[in-house]
Amino acid sequence: QKEVEQNSGPLSVPEGAIASLNCTYSDRGSQSFFWYRQYSGKSPELIMFIYSNGDKEDGRFTAQLNKASQYVSLLIRDSQPSDSATYLCAPYSSASKIIFGSGTRLSIRP
Amino acid sequence: GAVVSQHPSWVICKSGTSVKIECRSLDFQATTMFWYRQFPKQSLMLMATSNEGSKATYEQGVEKDKFLINHASLTLSTLTVTSAHPEDSSFYICSAMILSSTDTQYFGPGTRLTVL
Repeated sequence: QKEVEQNSGPLSVPEGAIASLNCTYSDRGSQSFFWYRQYSGKSPELIMFIYSNGDKEDGRFTAQLNKASQYVSLLIRDSQPSDSATYLCAPYSSASKIIFGSGTRLSIRP
Repeated sequence: GAVVSQHPSWVICKSGTSVKIECRSLDFQATTMFWYRQFPKQSLMLMATSNEGSKATYEQGVEKDKFLINHASLTLSTLTVTSAHPEDSSFYICSAMILSSTDTQYFGPGTRLTVL
């Protein structure tokens, strides 16, 4: 079983709508999670870090963590074409390593 | 925000040659840096963890004698791909960690290696 499972997509969302990206993880010991965004041919950039159950909001982005269900999600409100990218969910391990999932490709259609 | 640079941004080399890639943290000190490799349409795969002043820790399946890592200072880590072959062609990305409550990693822009 992979450490992190993400729907590879592509997930197509109309401009202005809410994009919902989901991630499940297998290690119950994972306490915190990163969401990174990666444009094609570029390196990842950090969007959110979440470690507490519940929601964390930053601008148009909201991360949600449910440790009991081993589930973490990222919501993007008012989606813009510039949000089209691959979104990577990554649990933070005690060894300071980030193990990335395969990512979800998001496409925002005008 | 924290800035991490890589040099070169792209390199083309002949099969059998060695290629060195530099990763620098520009505005902070990083005791730990990480090296990733990404093949087209695949996710980033962690290759090794580089600690300043000590030997790198390699992930399972990564040949330490082929991918030499040197972390000589708190701002510089290098990855040398020795005797490169076409199958080593990939996007190599480093990241540097800021020690904090979140231990956030910041990524360099990546180096695209093409081995002919």
